[in-house]
Amino acid sequence: AQTVTQSQPEMSVQEAETVTLSCTYDTSESDYYLFWYKQPPSRQMILVIRQEAYKQQNATENRFSVNFQKAAKSFSLKISDSQLGDAAMYFCAYRRVQGAQKLVFGQGTRLTINP
Amino acid sequence: DGGITQSPKYLFRKEGQNVTLSCEQNLNHDAMYWYRQDPGQGLRLIYYSQIVNDFQKGDIAEGYSVSREKKESFPLTVTSAQKNPTAFYLCASSITRGRTYGYTFGSGTRLTVV
Repeated sequence: AQTVTQSQPEMSVQEAETVTLSCTYDTSESDYYLFWYKQPPSRQMILVIRQEAYKQQNATENRFSVNFQKAAKSFSLKISDSQLGDAAMYFCAYRRVQGAQKLVFGQGTRLTINP
Repeated sequence: DGGITQSPKYLFRKEGQNVTLSCEQNLNHDAMYWYRQDPGQGLRLIYYSQIVNDFQKGDIAEGYSVSREKKESFPLTVTSAQKNPTAFYLCASSITRGRTYGYTFGSGTRLTVV
């Protein structure tokens, strides 16, 4: 079974600084998707960024970028120029391409932005 | 606008009662999912359905039941057999064909045992 691990329950960063959230996963599949979701206090799940495993290029969405290391099964999220609105729970998630398309989530990292 | 509607937003259950959480989508998505969220444990899959009249157990199905009689609807019943039902419940849906990865989440239901 696939598993996703986020080893940082909490992180904090000064506003305008850069922070990196860690995620590792375990799978025997070669083709899959990886995601970072943001959950603000409203508890609405918001997709931040996604990565397809067959693509070597790291995904980037404005201030958010990932470092995808397929061999190491690592998928970290870098947030540049942190803003107060970035404060939230962040979840790393995995999904197979073939078969059941359920998402497997990590335990989450609570990110605090200090003004 | 298309989306997923979960109701109610807050639900209180007495010991020994069954309660049903509603999840409706108008996105024409084939697959629907129920997740449970507890502090420090992320989201865990309860049940999922990839097609009408068919569903599969997730990682924590004990004490829960579902039905999928219509493509748009995937209600979750929390039975009295679920010993610790207090949690936040999220419903989601997705397309199942092609290299798609779109997942849409509802706004959740907070269930509390009183």
